[in-house]
Amino acid sequence: EAQVTQNPRYLITVTGKKLTVTCSQNMNHEYMSWYRQDPGLGLRQIYYSMNVEVTDKGDVPEGYKVSRKEKRNFPLILESPSPNQTSLYFCASSLAGTGGGVSPSYTFGSGTRLTVV
Amino acid sequence: RKEVEQDPGPFNVPEGATVAFNCTYSNSASQSFFWYRQDCRKEPKLLMSVYSSGNEDGRFTAQLNRASQYISLLIRDSKLSDSATYLCVVNSRGNNRLAFGKGNQVVVIP
Repeated sequence: EAQVTQNPRYLITVTGKKLTVTCSQNMNHEYMSWYRQDPGLGLRQIYYSMNVEVTDKGDVPEGYKVSRKEKRNFPLILESPSPNQTSLYFCASSLAGTGGGVSPSYTFGSGTRLTVV
Repeated sequence: RKEVEQDPGPFNVPEGATVAFNCTYSNSASQSFFWYRQDCRKEPKLLMSVYSSGNEDGRFTAQLNRASQYISLLIRDSKLSDSATYLCVVNSRGNNRLAFGKGNQVVVIP
């Protein structure tokens, strides 16, 4: 089954303790992205990757790191989590754009609910 | 001006009624438009792409108005299972980068 898999689904951690949220897709998609979703703010992009070894900042990258060593995996790293990073996180992937500004749709993972205390 | 704007609602709709809502986008160069559905605390899922000529998928109809820079979604014969948040999505900065509206919350009432 074509899917984006995130782990863990739920995580409670303490301030300052490094954590990684994994994301893996089995659709051979070039493009992968991380979003956070907060009440009243909608989905905001954290980082994205156009392909292996190519990553770039989204709208809210502060406090996060990513890597794209393999096409299928795009982990999100919080080196020193803080309470304001408590949120619902989604990983998404898509095929590369066809050019001319046309974007394919995204497939989302099931989400990771992170609480930092 | 926000990239994508939606009236969050909620839109309370009697079962069997029709509901419609719009979203506006700021980038006139946008080429890709979508409606996603998101159930509470779950991931967004693609409902339908929106094409220039408008398109229909069963009880759902999407329209694009480039001149006024808005897209619309109409749901006919609303079912209880249509209760969800509908996210308007537009590519605002070139390939692959999609901007999401905050969503229109629809509550279908028996």
